[in-house]
This record gives sequence, structure tokens and C-alpha cells, in this order.
Amino acid sequence: AQKITQTQPGMFVQEKEAVTLDCTYDTSDQSYGLFWYKQPSSGEMIFLIYQGSYDEQNATEGRYSLNFQKARKSANLVISASQLGDSAMYFCAMREPRGGYNKLIFGAGTRLAVHP
Amino acid sequence: GAVVSQHPSRVICKSGTSVKIECRSLDFQATTMFWYRQFPKKSLMLMATSNEGSKATYEQGVEKDKFLINHASLTLSTLTVTSAHPEDSSFYICSARATGGGSPLHFGNGTRLTVT
Repeated sequence: AQKITQTQPGMFVQEKEAVTLDCTYDTSDQSYGLFWYKQPSSGEMIFLIYQGSYDEQNATEGRYSLNFQKARKSANLVISASQLGDSAMYFCAMREPRGGYNKLIFGAGTRLAVHP
Repeated sequence: GAVVSQHPSRVICKSGTSVKIECRSLDFQATTMFWYRQFPKKSLMLMATSNEGSKATYEQGVEKDKFLINHASLTLSTLTVTSAHPEDSSFYICSARATGGGSPLHFGNGTRLTVT
């Protein structure tokens, strides 16, 4: 069963505008973590932001914020004041505590294009 | 911040040969490293969890005899693609976590393997 769902294969936004990338997840665990990564065309995976399941406040990191709605099991990424360099693939991921290794399972990704 | 180095970044080999990919944590010790595979325009699929000093744990459907993993030290894990075939051509990316379940996975820059 798919555990991380990103329903937007592609999104575009005008430079300087804000954009929201959707992510929903499925887990029966009470303790879990949610991550967002950016992958530019070069292929590297860049960590953006983390939200723990027990965190009461939404995580923020500079222009990135995570809209965490636990009851709805959603963890949307909000990028404010988009820049041309934000054009990339964005992956939502969930840490699976089972098995003791804290594996990260990724969603299908959303390709963001920032237009000038 | 934590850095993971992956080498080589790009490799072309002939069918039937074996290819070794190295993943090093440069400024931290990683008892656990993860190997992912990514097809073009697709998400990262976890292949295996590499454990220092013990056997790797493979995900369902991943051939352990095909993808040999060795984690001989706290800073080095290797993935060897044995008897490579064109269908093994892909982007392979390793990752490691410094400490704590909330710490992000740090990724290497990936290895693009092309089997001719």
C-alpha cells in the first residue's frame, strides 16, 4: 500500500509568489517523522524541512514551511517568495520506525517550475 | 553539516561486468546507510539497509546476490552491481544519518550507471 502520496506530478508558479506542494501519508504508528527534499536536475538530494509527529507547531526553515495537519494526515510544503532556483523535483518522505532502522520512504515527487 | 560522498558519479560498463559504488560519511560515523535506486522521472526506491559489521537488509524484490552490499567500517558502505545488464542502468544514491531519528538523511550525489 502506498504510504506517501503526492498528487501533483507538476506545478508551476510565478517568481516571488508562494506555492503549496501537497503530501498525504498513511501510517498506524504514533511516532513518525516527515521530511521534504529537493532534487535539482543535478540529482543531489537536498534536505529542506522536518516535522515530527509530536511537534505541536508547524516546522519552518527560512522560506520553507510545513503545513502539518495530523488528523488529515497531510504535510504540505509551502514555499514563499519563489525563486527561479527553486525549480526542481520535490519529494515528501516519511520515516518508518519499524524494523529499527528508521528508513525513509518517498512519495512520487512533484516537479516545480518557477516562471519569471 | 554532515556530508556524504559517493563515488563514482558516473560510470559506463559493459554487460556482464561488475561495478562497485562507494558511499562515505565524511564527518560523522554512520552505523546504518541506505541505498536507493531512482529511474528517470521516478521516485527513490529503497533497495537495502546497510549495517556496519553485519549483513544488509534487502527490500522485497531486490536480489541480494545481484546487488552486494558491504559495510566494513563506520564511514564506508559499498554497493556492487554484479554481472550488470542494461536493465540495471539507473541512478543509484546512498544516504546516511548522523544521529537520532529526527535527523535528516544526508545523501550522496548519486551514481549514474549505464550498462551497454
